[in-house]
Amino acid sequence: AQTVTQSQPEMSVQEAETVTLSCTYDTSESNYYLFWYKQPPSRQMILVIRQEAYKQQNATENRFSVNFQKAAKSFSLKISDSQLGDTAMYFCAFMRPTGTASKLTFGTGTRLQVTL
Amino acid sequence: GAVVSQHPSRVICKSGTSVKIECRSLDFQATTMFWYRQFPKQSLMLMATSNEGSKATYEQGVEKDKFLINHASLTLSTLTVTSAHPEDSSFYICSTIGRAGNTIYFGEGSWLTVV
Repeated sequence: AQTVTQSQPEMSVQEAETVTLSCTYDTSESNYYLFWYKQPPSRQMILVIRQEAYKQQNATENRFSVNFQKAAKSFSLKISDSQLGDTAMYFCAFMRPTGTASKLTFGTGTRLQVTL
Repeated sequence: GAVVSQHPSRVICKSGTSVKIECRSLDFQATTMFWYRQFPKQSLMLMATSNEGSKATYEQGVEKDKFLINHASLTLSTLTVTSAHPEDSSFYICSTIGRAGNTIYFGEGSWLTVV
């Protein structure tokens, strides 16, 4: 079974600064997907970024980027130029490829607070 | 725009009654949908996987008779909480695999309060 670990329950960063959220996972699969989802107070789950395991290049979406280390099974999220609207819970998630009973396995989440 | 729509966003029901939550896939046919429950300050807990035209697959510890899931069409899955009790009060959220098969999209979620 897959497991996802987020070791930082809470993080704080000042506006315009950079913050990195950690995530490690455990799997015996060679092909899979990794995600970071953002959950603001509204509770809506918003996809932040996705990484395919077979791609060596780290995914980037505007101010959000990942450091994907497949051998180390590490998938950290870097938020640059933090904004107040980035305040939310962030969940790291793992998914097996479609067709193999794929479903998301979530980490416990990291609560990020962006301050002035 | 939204890919998955969930309704109602908030519902209050009396103890002992049943309440139904709908999850609709808006842009594509979804053979598989997922139902999660989230307790305060916790992560999402997968309750069951809803398969179109067949029985749902429940996670260990989830009562099948209490949380009835129906996936009668390729665009609609429903979760019915039967004989609701105050401890069933929670945030319930559905999701589905996107058209490309490499992303999961979530509905807006439903707050259930049982009084």
